[in-house]
Amino acid sequence: AQSVTQLDSHVSVSEGTPVLLRCNYSSSYSPSLFWYVQHPNKGLQLLLKYTSAATLVKGINGFEAEFKKSETSFHLTKPSAHMSDAAEYFCVVSAVNDYKLSFGAGTTVTVRA
Amino acid sequence: DVKVTQSSRYLVKRTGEKVFLECVQDMDHENMFWYRQDPGLGLRLIYFSYDVKMKEKGDIPEGYSVSREKKERFSLILESASTNQTSMYLCASSSGAETGRGETQYFGPGTRLLVL
Repeated sequence: AQSVTQLDSHVSVSEGTPVLLRCNYSSSYSPSLFWYVQHPNKGLQLLLKYTSAATLVKGINGFEAEFKKSETSFHLTKPSAHMSDAAEYFCVVSAVNDYKLSFGAGTTVTVRA
Repeated sequence: DVKVTQSSRYLVKRTGEKVFLECVQDMDHENMFWYRQDPGLGLRLIYFSYDVKMKEKGDIPEGYSVSREKKERFSLILESASTNQTSMYLCASSSGAETGRGETQYFGPGTRLLVL
């Protein structure tokens, strides 16, 4: 079985400062890991995914995440927050050869002007 | 681009009513999914389908059923709506072609259901 824990339910940053969203995972097998973003009243959009290739994964809109097996973590970062980054972010895990996803509880990001 | 559409953005129903939520995808995807989203709980899988007329229960199937008569359409049915089914319902699809490599799911905009 696999699961994820998002360590912060809310993160507030100032525009232009770095963003860090923390995620730890648990998986019996080599996992695939994803970050999805949900803007208000919208569906979920894939930001990036890790599937056992490079451990540093680059996504859309300047986001990136690093897979650290020793720490069972997959934290999401962005060097400089923009107002449009205000949204809810979900860390997601799936096992290899399984198309089912397990979602974290979500982290809401607020960006202050 | 993959497009997943859901028949309604907002629905208000009465307790005991039969409710149909419709989802259509236009990319010939094999897999389709229904989730409910509640604050602080993330998304929880209700049912999924990996082929026409094929379905499997997810983590919270109680009180729900599904139908997939055509590949592009996946319906979620609340047989007798109850107030604890008030939630946001999200449909998703995936190709079924990259299971071994972490398959991306594509989501619709969601249906916000209120059961009174």
